[in-house]
Amino acid sequence: QVQLVESGGGVVRPGRSLRLSCTASGFTFSSYGMHWVRQVPGKGLEWVAVIWHDGSKKYYGDSVKGRFTISRDNSKNTLYLEMNSLRAEDTAVYYCARSGCSKTSCYTRHFDLWGRGTLVTVSS
Amino acid sequence: DIVMTQSPDSLAVSLGERATINCKSSQSVLYSANNKNYLAWYQQKPGQPPKLLIYWASTRESGVPERFSGGGSGTDFTLTISSLQAEDVAVYYCQQYDTAPVTFGQGTRLEIK
Repeated sequence: QVQLVESGGGVVRPGRSLRLSCTASGFTFSSYGMHWVRQVPGKGLEWVAVIWHDGSKKYYGDSVKGRFTISRDNSKNTLYLEMNSLRAEDTAVYYCARSGCSKTSCYTRHFDLWGRGTLVTVSS
Repeated sequence: DIVMTQSPDSLAVSLGERATINCKSSQSVLYSANNKNYLAWYQQKPGQPPKLLIYWASTRESGVPERFSGGGSGTDFTLTISSLQAEDVAVYYCQQYDTAPVTFGQGTRLEIK
């Protein structure tokens, strides 16, 4: 079954860290770019980060740059998001999503598979 | 960043009638080298993740009903549902993936009149 399953969400205090995971199954994980997208409950979608299929390139949204780190382990079919210095405004459902890759970019493609998300709440 | 603006913010349509959602980008998402518009549409139902409906502005994703269609080019795009069904109640988002960072429209909530 082709799917993505996120885990690792929870309640964390401001300034602390949290690591999210996204486990892929049913497809060749190492062939796809992978993204994190977040959504404040009841609000819109905000792209967070992308990692190339081979891990060679990573890009971040301005709101998380310098605080969050995206990584992947293709041997474990798993994507990660290490979140440091968390703020109240990071509270959201975090989705992982996959995109295809062109010859030069894993960025310029639509997101054809999404996980169900994991809720991160940053609160004192 | 490319700003994606959807209209209307919410829409109520009778069952069986046509629903049209608009999406405007602050700059063109048409890549001239391959003549593709880097624009996708997603559907999100309550408690669910977004689901891809349309990509390259007008290509329907496998399994998506034919009543969903996408059109437009450059900076102006539309998502049309030709005959609204009850299961189409959702929030719809457009997304550009032409220029970093990927950006989404604010969403359009579609309801039954």
